[in-house]
Amino acid sequence: EAGVAQSPRYKIIEKRQSVAFWCNPISGHATLYWYQQILGQGPKLLIQFQNNGVVDDSQLPKDRFSAERLKGVDSTLKIQPAKLEDSAVYLCASSLAGGGEQYFGPGTRLTVT
Amino acid sequence: RKEVEQDPGPFNVPEGATVAFNCTYSNSASQSFFWYRQDCRKEPKLLMSVYSSGNEDGRFTAQLNRASQYISLLIRDSKLSDSATYLCVVNEAGGGNKLTFGTGTQLKVEL
Repeated sequence: EAGVAQSPRYKIIEKRQSVAFWCNPISGHATLYWYQQILGQGPKLLIQFQNNGVVDDSQLPKDRFSAERLKGVDSTLKIQPAKLEDSAVYLCASSLAGGGEQYFGPGTRLTVT
Repeated sequence: RKEVEQDPGPFNVPEGATVAFNCTYSNSASQSFFWYRQDCRKEPKLLMSVYSSGNEDGRFTAQLNRASQYISLLIRDSKLSDSATYLCVVNEAGGGNKLTFGTGTQLKVEL
């Protein structure tokens, strides 16, 4: 079974630039999550989708971050404009149902200079 | 108070030792609990779920104490390959079944 796919794996940008990340969840998984993991911390949920609807985006900095999951399958997370403190690993995860076991992708390591 | 709190470590133990990690959570209505393992520069992976009755999987034992709002992970006969960060995860009650991760406890098993 194919796992969660993410791209790119690494990205270096300058502050105030824009960046987008892509995630393709495990086939059949209705729930998709985006997490931000800063070095030395646990993953922090940014947004949770159930199919193509948003379940929780309470910790998403909406002035600069946006995410969509058109057609309820793959998803994109965008940052515009980026700040230095956005440097982190962005993890995508999926699960069959919300609250169950989550399967993580390899993550995108973002460095903002 | 943090929603999920863990001692960040590192715990440095010799091979063959028994080591235990604790985790406390603040929301008494939390529904379910997990331990995830994260290797350096890798993604987290589910290690085991934590049930009210406790559960064991080989060398790993997880316990839940709802009255004191903490969960524990015991690793017996530590192996070098157990070196990783162990993340305590709590399923918050309420809509969406949101998972909240602790900061993780780093374990280093040495020869």
